[in-house]
Amino acid sequence: NAGVTQTPKFRVLKTGQSMTLLCAQDMNHEYMYWYRQDPGMGLRLIHYSVGEGTTAKGEVPDGYNVSRLKKQNFLLGLESAAPSQTSVYFCASSGQGWYGELFFGEGSRLTVL
Amino acid sequence: RKEVEQDPGPFNVPEGATVAFNCTYSNSASQSFFWYRQDCRKEPKLLMSVYSSGNEDGRFTAQLNRASQYISLLIRDSKLSDSATYLCVVNLGNTGKLIFGQGTTLQVKP
Repeated sequence: NAGVTQTPKFRVLKTGQSMTLLCAQDMNHEYMYWYRQDPGMGLRLIHYSVGEGTTAKGEVPDGYNVSRLKKQNFLLGLESAAPSQTSVYFCASSGQGWYGELFFGEGSRLTVL
Repeated sequence: RKEVEQDPGPFNVPEGATVAFNCTYSNSASQSFFWYRQDCRKEPKLLMSVYSSGNEDGRFTAQLNRASQYISLLIRDSKLSDSATYLCVVNLGNTGKLIFGQGTTLQVKP
């Protein structure tokens, strides 16, 4: 019962480095989401996808890019990491679009020095 | 103004108390409403969907007020295990964007 899996779970980067977070789901869900959560705040939507090959901007998309080349995978890229991107990143998927439950991964903790 | 707003609290209540949280949303075209629970910065888990007619699950009751654009969560007979952060989630208008509120922290004391 894998559900939603995020890799890596922890990463430390230096300012200016690039990296990719991978989210994989095995539930055949159409919708996938990337959120970030900072201390004292709720989750803020970065980008989302309503199906294979589609992506759309969320509330805080700047500094991030995404791709959904395969239905089961949703990649979040940081091209040039900044300290302001230090956060916990959560991926989620939904099988019923915006009407259904979000299933989350365990989160990826990213620190940018 | 944020799209979805909650009072961050914290709400400190004794065991057995009844506590209520509200969450306001700005887009009148929003259609989907949820309450999630988050423990100690772990991943959020669905607590309840919120339907137009209101719904109840044991000690938890959720209500939707479209006219005033808010949803509410009522917890009766609070337990120590209810201590957590409660997040409301609303879809933005007629889109797939699911927006979270800031979260409300509940601490239930013995």
